[in-house]
Amino acid sequence: GEDVEQSLFLSVREGDSSVINCTYTDSSSTYLYWYKQEPGAGLQLLTYIFSNMDMKQDQRLTVLLNKKDKHLSLRIADTQTGDSAIYFCAELGGGSQGNLIFGKGTKLSVKP
Amino acid sequence: DVKVTQSSRYLVKRTGEKVFLECVQDMDHENMFWYRQDPGLGLRLIYFSYDVKMKEKGDIPEGYSVSREKKERFSLILESASTNQTSMYLCASDVGSDPLFFGPGTRLTVT
Repeated sequence: GEDVEQSLFLSVREGDSSVINCTYTDSSSTYLYWYKQEPGAGLQLLTYIFSNMDMKQDQRLTVLLNKKDKHLSLRIADTQTGDSAIYFCAELGGGSQGNLIFGKGTKLSVKP
Repeated sequence: DVKVTQSSRYLVKRTGEKVFLECVQDMDHENMFWYRQDPGLGLRLIYFSYDVKMKEKGDIPEGYSVSREKKERFSLILESASTNQTSMYLCASDVGSDPLFFGPGTRLTVT
């Protein structure tokens, strides 16, 4: 079945770049998403990319999509302590209507 | 501004109680979803609804039911709460292939 994999933890120093990686299995995915979850809160949409794009940039965020390898990454430039959160990768699966398939989330820790 | 609200942020219930978790969205979205989130397991879909009075089982519907009497409201019901239903519950909504918008979550503890 469809699956989304991401590493569980990432630790960086403030000011460095963070790169969070994700792989997915459904080659028919049309949209891929990145969500951010701060402690005790719901998920907040960060950015998303349509499957016919290779890259999308939005201020400090850069999303790269390698459709051949089914690999998605989120790069956060100049990472700040406020970026500490769990980041979820998700794909719009071809199965159930409107059902997003989520990875387990990557916990980003930013050290001062 | 887009908004999905959930009736409670924190809830403590006893084993065997009937529990209602309410979710309301103000975006006129057709689709609404209930997920639970547990450490190490990520988000798992419990139920979703793509129209009023319509419901579909997600990946883990056992022990839950849902109700969608109005377009803006989607309720998750635990008929007889059990300790293994202690979790964070997240409601979300969308329309078509637009991104999911999430509520703030309800942290439910069943003792």
